[in-house]
Amino acid sequence: DAKTTQPNSMESNEEEPVHLPCNHSTISGTDYIHWYRQLPSQGPEYVIHGLTSNVNNRMASLAIAEDRKSSTLILHRATLRDAAVYYCILEKRGGADGLTFGKGTHLIIQP
Amino acid sequence: ETGVTQTPRHLVMGMTNKKSLKCEQHLGHNAMYWYKQSAKKPLELMFVYNFKEQTENNSVPSRFSPECPNSSHLFLHLHTLQPEDSALYLCASSQGTASNEKLFFGSGTQLSVL
Repeated sequence: DAKTTQPNSMESNEEEPVHLPCNHSTISGTDYIHWYRQLPSQGPEYVIHGLTSNVNNRMASLAIAEDRKSSTLILHRATLRDAAVYYCILEKRGGADGLTFGKGTHLIIQP
Repeated sequence: ETGVTQTPRHLVMGMTNKKSLKCEQHLGHNAMYWYKQSAKKPLELMFVYNFKEQTENNSVPSRFSPECPNSSHLFLHLHTLQPEDSALYLCASSQGTASNEKLFFGSGTQLSVL
């Protein structure tokens, strides 16, 4: 299975944009890119996903590189409630029996 | 509130005890999952059920026994556990198991085995 690489931790200031990177150099053409986040003492929650084109929703934006070997989750205006572990996950198209989570990026938001 | 409810939130058990974890989803989903999250480790997929049928058993020891009586309920029966089984056990559901599905997680059961 294709793997993802994320920084262990990142720090940002409240009300500023945050760009969370994810490298997936061995991604195949049929892999979806998913992002989930896990707030303290909670289960993970879905953030966004995409295949080839950039995606926007009310929580975040997903920018996918043209060669698809990397992607960036963008939080446009971080709040203290965005402090969480963010997971970038590849999911093979047509074969999803659960998602395989890595270690993720621990995002710290400074007031 | 994600629509996935897990009980109990916390459980302490001895190695000779038998206990069960319960998960219920109110989302009308057809697939349900058990994940294990040990301290400082990534989430590990344990079991997958789709339309009440088990489709994935990720080499989980037999001391963990899942049960899915219907698409809304999922149980994890525990017996003769070891201290290293102490972890956060998370239940999730999705509409199906095709790719591109969103997983909805419960808040988990924090299990301590003494």
